[in-house]
Amino acid sequence: KAGVTQTPRYLIKTRGQQVTLSCSPISGHRSVSWYQQTPGQGLQFLFEYFSETQRNKGNFPGRFSGRQFSNSRSEMNVSTLELGDSALYLCASSLSPGGLTDTQYFGPGTRLTVL
Amino acid sequence: GQQVMQIPQYQHVQEGEDFTTYCNSSTTLSNIQWYKQRPGGHPVFLIQLVKSGEVKKQKRLTFQFGEAKKNSSLHITATQTTDVGTYFCAGREDNYGQNFVFGPGTRLSVLP
Repeated sequence: KAGVTQTPRYLIKTRGQQVTLSCSPISGHRSVSWYQQTPGQGLQFLFEYFSETQRNKGNFPGRFSGRQFSNSRSEMNVSTLELGDSALYLCASSLSPGGLTDTQYFGPGTRLTVL
Repeated sequence: GQQVMQIPQYQHVQEGEDFTTYCNSSTTLSNIQWYKQRPGGHPVFLIQLVKSGEVKKQKRLTFQFGEAKKNSSLHITATQTTDVGTYFCAGREDNYGQNFVFGPGTRLSVLP
């Protein structure tokens, strides 16, 4: 089975721009979560989607948004980029939330640099 | 909200020594997962613990889930240089509606 894929792998943007990151989960997985990883803050939860519905949202400003499509692929968007948004953005997929099907498989991440 | 803490933050060991990292949650967890992230890599799932007092072993790695389901530990026996990386615990509250919260991780260095 192919793993979780994320595109693009690297991205350089300037302040004020917007960016869209994509995540394709493992085939058959219907749950996708997004995390922001920075050296100072560790892994911070952004969103969790299951069957096209946002189940949970982390403590991030409204500039961060996401969605999930009927094929379980997910995108996240960050508008009006700030320098502090520079981070590794990780996507994780699982069969479904809760219980023994909750194992999260992470993608390689998208490294976003905001100049 | 839920907070997950890990100690120590860093650990340097000589190859062959044992290593333990501890994870503590401010709330009761429905399950806890452990991940390893190599430098430059992404988190890789190691194990999930669900039952109170559960102990699981994977070769040299032993994982425990506390009786109160609020703490967990990962113990590595006779570390090897391949064990280098950051070990994260992640817990979901005792309510399937909540998201996973990751601990800050323990960075392990193994000196040959």
